Amino acid sequence: GAGVSQSPSNKVTEKGKDVELRCDPISGHTALYWYRQSLGQGLEFLIYFQGNSAPDKSGLPSDRFSAERTGGSVSTLTIQRTQQEDSAVYLCASSWTVNTGELFFGEGSRLTVL
Amino acid sequence: DQQVKQNSPSLSVQEGRISILNCDYTNSMFDYFLWYKKYPAEGPTFLISISSIKDKNEDGRFTVFLNKSAKHLSLHIVPSQPGDSAVYFCAASSYSGAGSYQLTFGKGTKLSVIP
Repeated sequence: GAGVSQSPSNKVTEKGKDVELRCDPISGHTALYWYRQSLGQGLEFLIYFQGNSAPDKSGLPSDRFSAERTGGSVSTLTIQRTQQEDSAVYLCASSWTVNTGELFFGEGSRLTVL
Repeated sequence: DQQVKQNSPSLSVQEGRISILNCDYTNSMFDYFLWYKKYPAEGPTFLISISSIKDKNEDGRFTVFLNKSAKHLSLHIVPSQPGDSAVYFCAASSYSGAGSYQLTFGKGTKLSVIP
C-alpha cells in the first residue's frame, strides 16, 4: 500500500515480556517518528530517525525502550520487560526530509500489558 | 509541563453551525502550527497548518487563526458536518537542528457534530 504500515495492530502481552512493534514508512520518506498515545493523553514523542543521522532518542521514557531503523526504511520499536504503564497505542509516522510537521501516520499498534 | 494545551476535552455542535476548537501554547520557539484529525482506530491525518508569520490560513471549510501575542490558535469549521466528528489534535513544530522538526501535540478535543 501507499501509506505507513504498522504491525501488529493489536498486541496483548504479560508483564515482563518483551515486545517488538514494526513500522514500514512511505517509500521515499527519509524521516520516521514513533509516538505513543496513552489513554486520555495526547501524542507523546518517543524517537525520531532522519536519514543516516543519529536518531533523536530524547523522548524514550526509559532504557527498556529502544528502536532501530534498518536500511533507512523499516523500523522496529522494542520494549523490554513490559510494564502495565506501557499499555498505549504506538503510532509511527514518516515524512520527507525537510518538513515543518506534516507527518503521515500509520494506524498504530495497540499494546495491552496484563 | 504541557507546552501545547487543548483545554476542552470535548465539544458538541449542531450540524451546519460553526465549530471552534481552541489551543494554547507556551513555547515562543514554535514556528509552525498544525491541526490533525483522528478517527477511532485510525492514525491522525494532517488537516491544516499555519506558519508563525501568518495570522490566518483557510482551506475550504477549515480556517486556522493564530494570535501570537496571546500564544493562541483556533480551528474554525464552517459549516460543521457529521463526518467532521473526530478527535482534533493541535500540534506545534520547532526546528531542532539538522533538518529535524519536532512536533509537540495537545491532548486533543473530541468533536461531535449532531445531525
